[in-house]
Amino acid sequence: ELVLTQSPGTLSLSPGERATLSCRASQSVTSDYLAWYQHRPGQAPRLLLYGESVRAIGIPDRFSGSGSGTDFTLTISRLEPEDFAVYYCQHYGNSPYTLGQGTKLEIK
Amino acid sequence: QVQLRGSGPGVVKASETLSLTCSVSDNSISKFYWSWIRQPPGKRLEWIGFIYHTGYTNYNPALKSRVTMSIDRSKNQFSLTLNSVTAADTAVYYCAGGEWAPGRFDTWGQGTLVTVSS
Repeated sequence: ELVLTQSPGTLSLSPGERATLSCRASQSVTSDYLAWYQHRPGQAPRLLLYGESVRAIGIPDRFSGSGSGTDFTLTISRLEPEDFAVYYCQHYGNSPYTLGQGTKLEIK
Repeated sequence: QVQLRGSGPGVVKASETLSLTCSVSDNSISKFYWSWIRQPPGKRLEWIGFIYHTGYTNYNPALKSRVTMSIDRSKNQFSLTLNSVTAADTAVYYCAGGEWAPGRFDTWGQGTLVTVSS
């Protein structure tokens, strides 16, 4: 079964800064089925990116994705207050669909 | 955008059956792949399985022997049952839907905390 490992576990940054979140797969996967989700406290998780770099409806362009093989990155170019949340990567190419353990992005 | 609302008991006794229902806000019930995902305290999100409007299901092998999903298109609802629960099944349970791929969760419900009591 595919295992996704996210790093760091917690990232402390200030609004306006750039955030780089990593996701490493236990085996090489196609980025066509790589997704990122955002989960704010008390809210439903929401899809940010799919196909590794395609933004879901309503997602601002400060969110971008990149990577290939086993290493993928979510970048938030300039942090807004509403961006502080937990982020999960996921590969949905084959079941069972697995998600990373999450990176908590907190205000410094 | 499609909205989901999960419902069900917050406490289930050990060895009994957990039952949850997810209500879909519109008639997208016949277009999406519908999944259940859970997150035990302090652990990562775990996909439980999905059901399509045709009734086709695909379950996580780790839970397959205890899981059943069903769908009621007339009520715009889909459901999860998990039998023989233990404390390890204590989790927040999310319902989610994907329009273009069964494993891509385009929309999520807010989650229902289910605690298994002894």
